[in-house]
Amino acid sequence: GENVEQHPSTLSVQEGDSAVIKCTYSDSASNYFPWYKQELGKRPQLIIDIRSNVGEKKDQRIAVTLNKTAKHFSLHITETQPEDSAVYFCAARAGFQKLVFGTGTRLLVSP
Amino acid sequence: DSGVTQTPKHLITATGQRVTLRCSPRSGDLSVYWYQQSLDQGLQFLIQYYNGEERAKGNILERFSAQQFPDLHSELNLSSLELGDSALYFCASSTGTGLHNEKLFFGSGTQLSVL
Repeated sequence: GENVEQHPSTLSVQEGDSAVIKCTYSDSASNYFPWYKQELGKRPQLIIDIRSNVGEKKDQRIAVTLNKTAKHFSLHITETQPEDSAVYFCAARAGFQKLVFGTGTRLLVSP
Repeated sequence: DSGVTQTPKHLITATGQRVTLRCSPRSGDLSVYWYQQSLDQGLQFLIQYYNGEERAKGNILERFSAQQFPDLHSELNLSSLELGDSALYFCASSTGTGLHNEKLFFGSGTQLSVL
């Protein structure tokens, strides 16, 4: 089955810096890669997703890149703000299979 | 608001007891998923239902069971509770079509505390 690895587990940046979180997946049939943001005590919320036929997708300050050959995808957050502080989860899915989540990255943005 | 409703929000019980967590999916969604999140841990997939039928099973303990009813709401039953079962339990729903961009939406979770 699918296995998703996520790095780093913790990331501390200064406000205004960029943050990059990386994930690798094992199932070459995976074709959908969402990213979720979870604030403390809250539900995970979908912030951006990408399909396997797209190499990059951007939404304001966040972007996701996908390298199908290497089987890895990354989340990029530019001009970070304190409200970006949260745990971020990547995930991967192949067709009807269940969505498999990475272990999460705790992002801390210091003012 | 994701449109996924979970009740109760908090549940405090004792070891050995049995509890039921309830989830109502978003309107139109046929698939319901249950995830367990222990303190500072990731999202552990428990089980998925699609239109009343079990579709996928994860690391769900034998003491746990779930079902999806004809009106598509789902219940997760946890029995013979242990201290280690204390966690945040999330329900999520999706259309269940399996299309490549099918999105998963989470409820607000049920915080279970076993004392």
